[in-house]
Formats: sequence, C-alpha cells, structure tokens
Amino acid sequence: QSTLTQPVSVSGSPGQSISISCTGTSSDVGNNNFVSWYQQRFPGEVPKLVIYDVDNRPSGVSNRFSGSKSGNTASLTISGLQAEDEADYYCTSFTSSRTHVFGSGTKVTVL
Amino acid sequence: EVQLVESGGGVVQPGGSLRLSCAASGFTFGNFWMHWVRQGPGKGPMWVSRINEDGAISTYADSVKGRFTISRDNAENTVYLQMNSLRVEDTAVYYCVRDFRIYDHWGQGTQVTVSS
Repeated sequence: QSTLTQPVSVSGSPGQSISISCTGTSSDVGNNNFVSWYQQRFPGEVPKLVIYDVDNRPSGVSNRFSGSKSGNTASLTISGLQAEDEADYYCTSFTSSRTHVFGSGTKVTVL
Repeated sequence: EVQLVESGGGVVQPGGSLRLSCAASGFTFGNFWMHWVRQGPGKGPMWVSRINEDGAISTYADSVKGRFTISRDNAENTVYLQMNSLRVEDTAVYYCVRDFRIYDHWGQGTQVTVSS
C-alpha cells in the first residue's frame, strides 16, 4: 500500500481560504467515497476527524471545513482561515484491497 | 461516554512479541468495526489492521501482514493486537479506533518501543 500524496505545506492569511489535495489511485481514492480527513494540532495529540465520506462533517466540526473529490484526488478546503486551524492534516482512504491508507500529511500555517 | 483504553505497550527487543488490548465502554461494542492505527515518532499515522463486528473478517497493512493478528472478544468489549517478530520500525504509539467514519473515536494510545 502506498501513501496518498499530499503537499508538504500550505499557508494562508487569516480569513483566506486554502485547499489541501490528496492524490491517490484508482485503487483507493478513485475507487470509493470513503475518504476522510484528520486534523492534528500537536505531536502526540489524538487526530480529530474533520471530514468523512468525502464531504461530510461530523457533529461539532466547523462548517468552514469542506471536502470534495474528483477522480483520484480528494481535497479539503478550509474557508475563513483562523489561527486555531494551524495543524497537520492527513487524508485517508479505503482501498480495493479492503485496507485503509493515510496520506503523507500537510502542515497548514496561518500567516 | 464513549471510551477506548489501550494497554499492553512497552519496550521489547527486535524479534520479540507484545499483545495490545483495547477496552471499550459507553457503546455497543459488537456493532462496530474496530481498527488499530499507529504513529511513529515524527511521522504521520499509519493504518495497521481492522476487524469486523463478529470477528470473522480482518485485514492488515502489508508491512505487518503475517506478523500481527487482530482479534476481539465481544463478551469482554475488548479488541486485541498480537504483535510478533517485532522490528525497530514498529516503534510507535498504537491507537485503537472505532469505525473510522461517522462514529469515529480514538483511544489515547499505548507506546510500543522496539529496541535492543
């Protein structure tokens, strides 16, 4: 299983919108709609689910977080960027082998 | 309140074995797939294994297949991860995770260190 490809870092100013891509293959991201996104603010913190099933927000997650998918690439968009959004973000996808695979991670910096 | 409490971690030499446990409470354990996810020092999370509601179906990441075995006891509300032939690269915090989708919930993790 290969790791899904994410940009190493993305940055934006408060109030701006940013997007993080998650590129896989036809065997994972392109194979199903079980793509999730996790936020991890600090090393050692338990990852927090912010998007599941491509574009669904868990209860309690800000509506500034949204997800989408096109072909083998999923995306997480954070609108109205806030200082509290500074964190590492990881995508994950179910695969045709009935396993899961995580992305390489993206560090979001709020300028 | 949903709780997942991992235990069984520790320091082990390469080639050794450990058995992790995850005690669940606050929900109907037998209704959910359960997963193990690990995160090595300075690295991102890596999915390790999953098991279905009745324990009949399990899958593994390639890097642990043949060495790790996931199991569950629904009467005890516990999921296990038997880890054999441990390698230095298995060093990580191991998390027990419920569902991985809408009912996603993670434990606090247990540290496994493989070192000579």
